[in-house]
Amino acid sequence: DAKTTQPTSMDCAEGRAANLPCNHSTISGNEYVYWYRQIHSQGPQYIIHGLKNNETNEMASLIITEDRKSSTLILPHATLRDTAVYYCIVRPNSGYALNFGKGTSLLVTP
Amino acid sequence: GAVVSQHPSWVICKSGTSVKIECRSLDFQATTMFWYRQFPKQSLMLMATSNEGSKATYEQGVEKDKFLINHASLTLSTLTVTSAHPEDSSFYICSARDVSGNEETQYFGPGTRLLVL
Repeated sequence: DAKTTQPTSMDCAEGRAANLPCNHSTISGNEYVYWYRQIHSQGPQYIIHGLKNNETNEMASLIITEDRKSSTLILPHATLRDTAVYYCIVRPNSGYALNFGKGTSLLVTP
Repeated sequence: GAVVSQHPSWVICKSGTSVKIECRSLDFQATTMFWYRQFPKQSLMLMATSNEGSKATYEQGVEKDKFLINHASLTLSTLTVTSAHPEDSSFYICSARDVSGNEETQYFGPGTRLLVL
């Protein structure tokens, strides 16, 4: 699986958009970008994934650059409950386990 | 998203005993489930891949005779920690692979916290 690089931590004010970057410069053509988050003492929660097009769902938007070497997860209106560790993971979309790096610890402040 | 449950959510046991953890996919069938563990302040580490009807595949350094995995149905995988010791105390998390849509997604259980005294 391609390696990903994420900032260790970020802060965001409640109500503002949280933009979490991820670099994956060695991504292969068949690899997807997945985002999960883990709130303290819980199992990871699936957020969104994409291959090359931008994606949006009820939780977030995923913006993937045209060269696919980086992406940004956007939480449009962060709340205190969005405080968590966010993981960007790159892997083929078939049958493989997810390899978790250290992720970005996002703190949403009042 | 799809729901994965784990039971128990936490367990305390004496050193030398065995503990069984269940992982269930509640609203989809999962031919493949994965078992992870997470030590404090660390990320999730893959332990093994559990395939329905066949033997599990273990990651390097994970003892298959100590961590017994059974995936007897399309909605249930179990992890048994045999002869548990204090160093096995950890947060054990399973995930299940949902291939019912156009693209595969993995969903995680809430985790099981194991404390071995």
